[in-house]
Amino acid sequence: DSGVTQTPKHLITATGQRVTLRCSPRSGDLSVYWYQQSLDQGLQFLIQYYNGEERAKGNILERFSAQQFPDLHSELNLSSLELGVSALYFCASSPGLAGGFGTQYFGPGTRLLVL
Amino acid sequence: KNEVEQSPQNLTAQEGEFITINCSYSVGISALHWLQQHPGGGIVSLFMLSSGKKKHGRLIATINIQEKHSSLHITASHPRDSAVYICAVRFILGGSQGNLIFGKGTKLSVKP
Repeated sequence: DSGVTQTPKHLITATGQRVTLRCSPRSGDLSVYWYQQSLDQGLQFLIQYYNGEERAKGNILERFSAQQFPDLHSELNLSSLELGVSALYFCASSPGLAGGFGTQYFGPGTRLLVL
Repeated sequence: KNEVEQSPQNLTAQEGEFITINCSYSVGISALHWLQQHPGGGIVSLFMLSSGKKKHGRLIATINIQEKHSSLHITASHPRDSAVYICAVRFILGGSQGNLIFGKGTKLSVKP
């Protein structure tokens, strides 16, 4: 158990809908990262937040947005869903803002299926 | 282009065998990670390297910065080692503003 929690575990929805994925980092960790894992693309970095502020952006679609709240939990909002965004979405956390220069602790993931 | 290549894509071994998984990358990095993804999907960070070698139990990770290459070795492999092993790097320049770029993974299956 990494200490990172994600809800929901599974999400099935229809095209055009909007969903929210939630992540609670390990106690004391200030950075939260979101990743997408699809069968064809593998793992891809989406976005990083550090202590409530957006820190870095990767391959995140404009229809996606994220935020980190004062209690440090984070939400990833996906809107106008298309079939192609069906994937596993992972959240990870780390103590500092070092991005790829530090151990990250991964949550169990949310499996999103868009029908 | 900042790329991470892993080989082999798939690997089947007999219990007890010594296993090597390779990772190569295109340009300079400041850190390289090895991750393990269990069949259920969960991801665990195994190592972070910037030089040399690290060992944890039966797992050994090495990196050669000049050759832009890293290897993950598993000694005395066991069926519970069956998983996907993913290499990820932090490129010095570009590459998601210092965040991780991932290889496609190596799927390891260890038979009893």
